[in-house]
Amino acid sequence: AQKITQTQPGMFVQEKEAVTLDCTYDTSDPSYGLFWYKQPSSGEMIFLIYQGSYDQQNATEGRYSLNFQKARKSANLVISASQLGDSAMYFCAIFSNTGNQFYFGTGTSLTVIP
Amino acid sequence: DAGVIQSPRHEVTEMGQEVTLRCKPISGHNSLFWYRQTMMRGLELLIYFNNNVPIDDSGMPEDRFSAKMPNASFSTLKIQPSEPRDSAVYFCASSLIRTQGADTQYFGPGTRLTVL
Repeated sequence: AQKITQTQPGMFVQEKEAVTLDCTYDTSDPSYGLFWYKQPSSGEMIFLIYQGSYDQQNATEGRYSLNFQKARKSANLVISASQLGDSAMYFCAIFSNTGNQFYFGTGTSLTVIP
Repeated sequence: DAGVIQSPRHEVTEMGQEVTLRCKPISGHNSLFWYRQTMMRGLELLIYFNNNVPIDDSGMPEDRFSAKMPNASFSTLKIQPSEPRDSAVYFCASSLIRTQGADTQYFGPGTRLTVL
């Protein structure tokens, strides 16, 4: 079975600072994908970044980067230079190549303080 | 690309009525997922299709829920009869799943369902 754990229900960060949102996963699949989504108060789910289990380098997309530590089974999202618009729920997810399914964590609520 | 399209965006209905939610996935994607999101239960996978075939419907709450995907560009989720506890945001998402896995999953804007 696949499992995603997000241990931080809520996080605060000062504007312009960097913040790390934690995500650990559990899978027995040798091949999998890791995803992060942002859900602002308006409700839509926005795809942010993807990391493949065989990727040698950490994924980056603008101010978002994924700190992938395969041995520790962690895929933390790093947001640099936080902006007020980054305030939202953030979900980590894993795609199981065996089950062809996505599994989501419970999310972390991020609040950016001016 | 227009992204995943869902309709209606909002639905208010009375208990016992039939509700039909619609989804148009991104063109070229071969997998479609229906999720439900509530404060209490978070994001739950209800059912997903691969190449229009239902693969896993174990998340469908009960027989009142049914989903179809008659072709690659259209899917419906039906609740009959609806109950107040079905009130939630229902998301449709689509993905391109290749042999080596998936690197995308895009969500529609969601349908906010309220059952009175």
